[in-house]
Amino acid sequence: GDSVTQMEGPVTLSEEAFLTINCTYTATGYPSLFWYVQYPGEGLQLLLKATKADDKGSNKGFEATYRKETTSFHLEKGSVQVSDSAVYFCALSDRGYSTLTFGKGTMLLVSP
Amino acid sequence: NAGVTQTPKFQVLKTGQSMTLQCAQDMNHNSMYWYRQDPGMGLRLIYYSASEGTTDKGEVPNGYNVSRLNKREFSLRLESAAPSQTSVYFCASPNKDTQYFGPGTRLTVL
Repeated sequence: GDSVTQMEGPVTLSEEAFLTINCTYTATGYPSLFWYVQYPGEGLQLLLKATKADDKGSNKGFEATYRKETTSFHLEKGSVQVSDSAVYFCALSDRGYSTLTFGKGTMLLVSP
Repeated sequence: NAGVTQTPKFQVLKTGQSMTLQCAQDMNHNSMYWYRQDPGMGLRLIYYSASEGTTDKGEVPNGYNVSRLNKREFSLRLESAAPSQTSVYFCASPNKDTQYFGPGTRLTVL
């Protein structure tokens, strides 16, 4: 079945550091890939997405590129801020956009 | 436009008690979902409703029942709560390629 594997956290960074959160996936078809973010005490929000190989999703300074050859969708940001502290979830959907398979989440803690 | 709303925000139950978690969306979406979130487990799908009048089991349906009351509302019921059901419960409603999540209900079963 489908699965998503994310690097374990927490990831702790200083403000303005470079961020990478690794995500790899296993799927039978050609899935769409997503990053969701959960701020403390809130529900999940879509951060970015990519629907086919070599697509790059981007939003709020975050980027991720759909790499079919390595089955990866790593999240990157060039300069993190304290306000980026949250839990980040990688997810995929290969049965229509409604049904998502989530990774376990990676907590990011950014200190001033 | 409130999006997806959930009640209550917090709840403490004793083992064996029952309760219903409420979810409503005002986005006129057809589908609605219930997930649970546990530490180190990500989100797991409990039940979903693809349209008004239909419901289907997800990955972890045991111990739960659902009702799609109308297009707006989708409730999750625990008939006899168990400590293993201590979790954060999220309702979600997708549109095209985006899932819209509610703020969650934090449930503790003692």
